[in-house]
Amino acid sequence: DTAVSQTPKYLVTQMGNDKSIKCEQNLGHDTMYWYKQDSKKFLKIMFSYNNKELIINETVPNRFSPKSPDKAHLNLHINSLELGDSAVYFCASNRRGANEKLFFGSGTQLSVL
Amino acid sequence: SQQGEEDPQALSIQEGENATMNCSYKTSINNLQWYRQNSGRGLVHLILIRSNEREKHSGRLRVTLDTSKKSSSLLITASRAADTASYFCATDDLGASGSRLTFGEGTQLTVNP
Repeated sequence: DTAVSQTPKYLVTQMGNDKSIKCEQNLGHDTMYWYKQDSKKFLKIMFSYNNKELIINETVPNRFSPKSPDKAHLNLHINSLELGDSAVYFCASNRRGANEKLFFGSGTQLSVL
Repeated sequence: SQQGEEDPQALSIQEGENATMNCSYKTSINNLQWYRQNSGRGLVHLILIRSNEREKHSGRLRVTLDTSKKSSSLLITASRAADTASYFCATDDLGASGSRLTFGEGTQLTVNP
C-alpha cells in the first residue's frame, strides 16, 4: 500500500541506451512531479503534470520525455543516456495549489557507465 | 539560481542535544516547508509554515520564519540517533508558474549515540 511507488530502484546502463522509470501514486493526487537529485544532494524539479497535462518543464534536455497515461501515473523515458544523467530520480505527488506538501517515492538510482 | 540555501551543510551532535538548521531564500514565498531524507530514501514532509506565520511546532520540531530576513530555522530538541538524516527546506514561491517547491541544498545531521 505504498503511497508513491517508482520502479526500478536501481538502474545501471551503458551510455547511449534508452531507459524508462515508472511512477504510480495511489493517493488520489492530481499533480505529479519528477525531481533529479545530484551527487551533492541538490534536488531540482524537472517536470510537473496536472491531470495528465504538462505544466512545468524546467529546461530539461529533450532526451527526457515524461508521459502521463492517467493522473495516477507519470513515467520518465530517457533517450541516449549520458554519463551526466547519473543521479537519483524522484517521483512525487500532491494536490495542486499552494500549501500542499509533497509525497515522494523512494527514488531510482540511475548509473550510466 | 537556487532558492534555498542551508546552513550548516553538516552538523554533528550528541544524542539529547538540540540541533538547529537554518535556511535562507531569495524571493517572496507562499510557504516554506521542511523535509527529512534518510539515506537511500525519498524525502518525507516534516512541517509547513505559511508566510503569515512566525513560528510553528510539531512534536520535537520547532520552525521559525522571518520573512523580512527571508530566513527560516528548524530546531530539533532532545535529538535521537534516529534523527540522523539530511534536512531540506523548500519554498513555494509566489508567482512561480505551476505548483512547485524549490529545495535548498540540505543539512546533513548526524546524531551520535
